[in-house]
Amino acid sequence: AQTVTQSQPEMSVQEAETVTLSCTYDTSESNYYLFWYKQPPSRQMILVIRQEAYKQQNATENRFSVNFQKAAKSFSLKISDSQLGDTAMYFCALTGNQFYFGTGTSLTVIP
Amino acid sequence: KAGVTQTPRYLIKTRGQQVTLSCSPISGHRSVSWYQQTPGQGLQFLFEYFSETQRNKGNFPGRFSGRQFSNSRSEMNVSTLELGDSALYLCASSYTTGNTGELFFGEGSRLTVL
Repeated sequence: AQTVTQSQPEMSVQEAETVTLSCTYDTSESNYYLFWYKQPPSRQMILVIRQEAYKQQNATENRFSVNFQKAAKSFSLKISDSQLGDTAMYFCALTGNQFYFGTGTSLTVIP
Repeated sequence: KAGVTQTPRYLIKTRGQQVTLSCSPISGHRSVSWYQQTPGQGLQFLFEYFSETQRNKGNFPGRFSGRQFSNSRSEMNVSTLELGDSALYLCASSYTTGNTGELFFGEGSRLTVL
């Protein structure tokens, strides 16, 4: 069975600093996709970044980057130069025959 | 391009009642999936529809059902509501099935069961 674990329910970071959100997963699939989604307060969830498991290179989207460790089944999200608009719930997700989501990390950026 | 639209946004029901939620996907998207979001549980997969066919179903009781119409709009129904059904129900659409592409989410329907 596929599972996604986010062990940090809440985190905070000072504006302009860097923060890393952790995610571990388990799957028996050889090829899969990993995602980070962001859910701002009272707003819809949007995709932050996507990683294809067969690609060794870590995905990057502007200030967002991932550290994908396939052997360790780890997929952390690094947010650089944190901004107030980054305050949101962040969900790690894994694909199989469906999307599997973690329980989320609530990130607060402190001015 | 209009995003995913969910109606109603908020609703309050009492135990034993039933509820129907609606989702209009992005134009051209044929896959619609539904999720239940509760604090501490994250998003739990309910079901996915593609071209009017249920492709996959999560581990929810039979009180939860859904359907998709020929225009890709989808509805989900919960019968005999229980207090534990209080949650944010999210709909997401994508162009294809196969779970490799990006999901586009609606703002959700927040259901409160009293």
